[in-house]
Amino acid sequence: SSELTQDPAVSVALGQTVRITCQGDSLRTYYESWYQQKPGQAPVLVIHGRTKRPSGIPARFSGSSSGDTVSLTITGAQAEDEADYYCNSRDSSGNLVDFGGGTKLTVL
Amino acid sequence: QVHLVDSGGGLIRPGGSLRLSCAASGFTFSDYYMSWVRQAPGKGLEWIAYISGGGTTIYYADSVKGRFTISRDNAKNSLYLQMNSLRAEDTAVYYCARGTTNYYYYIFDAWGQGTTVNVSS
Repeated sequence: SSELTQDPAVSVALGQTVRITCQGDSLRTYYESWYQQKPGQAPVLVIHGRTKRPSGIPARFSGSSSGDTVSLTITGAQAEDEADYYCNSRDSSGNLVDFGGGTKLTVL
Repeated sequence: QVHLVDSGGGLIRPGGSLRLSCAASGFTFSDYYMSWVRQAPGKGLEWIAYISGGGTTIYYADSVKGRFTISRDNAKNSLYLQMNSLRAEDTAVYYCARGTTNYYYYIFDAWGQGTTVNVSS
């Protein structure tokens, strides 16, 4: 089972700010990445290395960390941000890879 | 640009075998780790295996260890997943994904479109 814990669901009003969290002991050692997945589509990398955004990802997506918890923040959420979001990291052994259970974001 | 095309999925009976393929283009395939990640219906993402660029480093998730084999052919820019002793719980969409990695992270920075495996009698 996953060593990374995410809230199953989060909602945000259009244009407001939302934080999606991921907690796990491995995050004290290893960097996380975040992925956005819309229904019927493959995941897309949105944040890696705590705060880095790949080319093409809007600046409203940002990352942060504190201890064993990392966060994906969307500042000014848009309707198109409604999706499932997953964190991933190396597991505590360092050899394997882990995903959080995912957070379903609803934009109201 | 980076392009990954997954293929080989289908309907298979429990206990059967299937081989998935992933054709890569748009980057130097041998420079990158590659992984398989699956997603059961209505469930989250599950990493199941990765292989280094030269094929010398391979790891599996416990859920598939001993049943699945990841391999690659760098001359053909292709990644494979041989799946044996399939179970109903292996039913999922299987994605190949390119990995960028070091000691501190394993990032999936490009994904195939996925291929569906349905294990059912």
